[in-house]
Order: sequence, then structure tokens, then C-alpha cells
Amino acid sequence: EVQLVQSGAEVKKPGESLKISCKGSGYSFPSYWIGWVRQMPGKGLEWMGIIYPGDSDTRYSPSFQGQVTISADKSISTAYLQWSSLQASDTAIYYCARHPPYSSGWVRFDFWGQGTLVTVSS
Amino acid sequence: EIVLTQSPGTLSLSPGESATLSCRASQSVSSTYLAWYQQKPGQAPRLLIYGASSRATGIPDRFSGSGSGTDFTLTISRLEPEDFAVYYCQQYGSSMYTFGQGTKVEIK
Repeated sequence: EVQLVQSGAEVKKPGESLKISCKGSGYSFPSYWIGWVRQMPGKGLEWMGIIYPGDSDTRYSPSFQGQVTISADKSISTAYLQWSSLQASDTAIYYCARHPPYSSGWVRFDFWGQGTLVTVSS
Repeated sequence: EIVLTQSPGTLSLSPGESATLSCRASQSVSSTYLAWYQQKPGQAPRLLIYGASSRATGIPDRFSGSGSGTDFTLTISRLEPEDFAVYYCQQYGSSMYTFGQGTKVEIK
């Protein structure tokens, strides 16, 4: 069974750093892309970026380039999303989601993590 | 960046009725790169349709997708109580993904 299990909720202060995780199981983790999606309170879905754990090829949405860092450790089947200096506007739920290889011809986020709520408040 | 505009914003229907949700792109989108997701309160999104018209594994056949170019449609025939949720379309192009703003299907 394919599963993506994300790390737990976080409460941080502005200016603090944070790294959240997404652990995959039930499939070949290096062979599928992992995307990150933000959902601000009461709002829609925003794509942040995507990484291929097999070779760490990473692509960012222009809206999030330079604001976050996406990484992965294929040896432990885990992808990460990190901030060096959080702002109150980073308060949101962050989802990771699996994406098939582009060579498959399909574009879809077929399995999603349960989401990690990040609250940034002084 | 391709912008996806979903309409209507909210659809008020009764169980058993059919729902037609629209997703319009600001420029042409390959059908292969168009997907639909369902999100219920407090839950992660769930893939419903990919390639504009292919149902994801386990999705009931009352869900169907159609369209091409700039106009895509998600149809839910015979709404079940569990279908009341928010639906998002999503596209991929120029190495970027974008989502529509969502359509809420609520119980009338």
C-alpha cells in the first residue's frame, strides 16, 4: 500500500527555521517525484515545487523560489520542505504528494500525505 | 503561467442530482496534463481524474471528465452524500503546475 506520512504540526515564531518531512512507503521512493503543495487557511491549493529523489532534480514555482528549500534522502525514503526564516504568512497546511515519472506520460499527484499544519505566530 | 478559472464558485444541489463543474484555462492545455481532485474538510486532496478523462483507481464511474484545449468539465452524476466537497482542477505546462481556485459542491 502506497503511503506518504508527514511529520506533525509545528508552532513557530517569526524568524525561526523549520524543516518538515514526508516519508514514503509501499513503492520505489527514488522512482517517483514528490511535490509540495500549500493550502493557506480557508484557501485553495498552490504548487510550491517538486523533487525527484532518485537524483535530487528539483523544480520550484516562481512564487516559492528562494523562499523554501526542497530536498530528499532516498536512503530513508523521505522528502523535506524547509524554511530558514519563517513569516506569519507561512501559516498554512503543507501537503506532499507523489507524482509518476514524466516518462510515463501522465501528470498527476496520485497519492497525498495527510498534511502538516505550520503555525507561525509571535 | 497558465491560469485556471473554475466555475461556478459554489454549486448547491440535492443528493441524486447531477453536477457539472467547469475549468477554463487562460491558454491551451494538453489533455494529458489536466487533472481533477476532490477535497473534503480536514482531509488531503484526492485524485479523481487524470488525462482529462481517465478515472483514478477506485473512483466511482459517476465521476467523469471531458474537454480539451481551454475548456474542461467534471461531471458528477447522481450525487451521493459523500460527494459534497470542494473540487479543484490542475494543469501542468512550462514546467509548472497550477490549480484552479476550486468549486464547492454543497447540499441544497
